[in-house]
Amino acid sequence: DVKVTQSSRYLVKRTGEKVFLECVQDMDHENMFWYRQDPGLGLRLIYFSYDVKMKEKGDIPEGYSVSREKKERFSLILESASTNQTSMYLCASSPATGLGTGELFFGEGSRLTVL
Amino acid sequence: GIQVEQSPPDLILQEGANSTLRCNFSDSVNNLQWFHQNPWGQLINLFYIPSGTKQNGRLSATTVATERYSLLYISSSQTTDSGVYFCAVGTGGNQFYFGTGTSLTVIP
Repeated sequence: DVKVTQSSRYLVKRTGEKVFLECVQDMDHENMFWYRQDPGLGLRLIYFSYDVKMKEKGDIPEGYSVSREKKERFSLILESASTNQTSMYLCASSPATGLGTGELFFGEGSRLTVL
Repeated sequence: GIQVEQSPPDLILQEGANSTLRCNFSDSVNNLQWFHQNPWGQLINLFYIPSGTKQNGRLSATTVATERYSLLYISSSQTTDSGVYFCAVGTGGNQFYFGTGTSLTVIP
C-alpha cells in the first residue's frame, strides 16, 4: 500500500515562529502536493512539485515556501507563522502518467494552530 | 480552472438507508477520484474512476465522462460511513480540482 507520512499530527506555534511541515512518501511518486483545508473553503492547493528541486505555486502560495531535495520528501515552510495560517495541512502524492497525474494519495494531515 | 460541484452539500440518513452523491464538472477530465474524509481528517481513497463503473462492497461509483458527472452510491449505510465525501478531478496537467464535499451523517 502507498503510504504518505506527515511528521506531526498536531502543532501549536507562536506568531512569528518558523514552522516546518514534513511529508514523506514511499512509492517513488513523481508528484507531491501541499493543500490546506479550512471550513467552508474546501481544499486549496499551496504548492506542488513534479520532480526533485522543482516546484510550482498553487492557488494560495503567499506566506509559504517548499523544499524538495529528495524525491520522497516534500517540506512546507512557514517562514513567519501568522494566526491566519491556523489550518489543517494535507500532503499528497501521485505518480506521473502519460495523461498527467495518476491516483492521488493523502497523508493523515497536520493540524496547525498559531497563537 | 475547472469547476467541480458536489450535491447535496449535507445529507442525514438513518442507518440502513441508501444514498447517491453527485459530482458535476465543467470540462473534460482524465482523472476522477472519490475520497472519504474520516473524523480525524485523513482523506481515504474510495475510487479512482475517470470513466465507467466500479464497486467495492457497499459502495459503488459511476462516471459518465461525456456528460461530465460522477455518482457515488452508498447502500445499507452504517454510522462509520459518516464524514465528508470529496470528488476530485484532473485534466491532464499536474493539478487536481476538488469539490466542496458532501457531509454525510448516518444516525443509528
